[in-house]
Amino acid sequence: SQKIEQNSEALNIQEGKTATLTCNYTNYSPAYLQWYRQDPGRGPVFLLLIRENEKEKRKERLKVTFDTTLKQSLFHITASQPADSATYLCALPISGSARQLTFGSGTQLTVLP
Amino acid sequence: GAVVSQHPSRVICKSGTSVKIECRSLDFQATTMFWYRQFPKKSLMLMATSNEGSKATYEQGVEKDKFLINHASLTLSTLTVTSAHPEDSSFYICSAVTSSLTEQYFGPGTRLTVT
Repeated sequence: SQKIEQNSEALNIQEGKTATLTCNYTNYSPAYLQWYRQDPGRGPVFLLLIRENEKEKRKERLKVTFDTTLKQSLFHITASQPADSATYLCALPISGSARQLTFGSGTQLTVLP
Repeated sequence: GAVVSQHPSRVICKSGTSVKIECRSLDFQATTMFWYRQFPKKSLMLMATSNEGSKATYEQGVEKDKFLINHASLTLSTLTVTSAHPEDSSFYICSAVTSSLTEQYFGPGTRLTVT
């Protein structure tokens, strides 16, 4: 069955540095991959979607890469700020479904001032 | 745009009672809504997929008679936890998608505590 792994449960970085989060998946070739942000006690918020034919996508200080050979996506936040502190989830469409998503367990990012 | 609301945000109920959670898409029509459950420091677990006007599709291991889902309109889906037990205590989150987009728009979640 398909499996998603986010490399670390928690990541602490200094303000101004670039945060890099990793999402690996197995047993699957998804048509796209999504990244969400979740704050404590809140629902996730959609950030970016990257398709299998796209290598990289950017949105303001966010950058996502998608390597279908390595079966890996990297999520970067440049010039990080304390307000970026949150849990970041990667999500893939469930095999055989166009809409249902399966989520990774998330990486809790803390940006230290 | 793409705002999803949930009500209530927090509910405490006694064991054996039923609780209804509403999920509304406020500024768009949601062809499909999803219901998730999330335990502390764990990821979202998909419970069911709800399409307007048809029966919900439940994930393996989710009891459809315990978690009743109704999707009566393109802007409203409800989840009723019947005969709630303490092990049903959790954070329940809904999401909605439109016919043209694949990203999901999530509600703020409902914290259910069964005593």
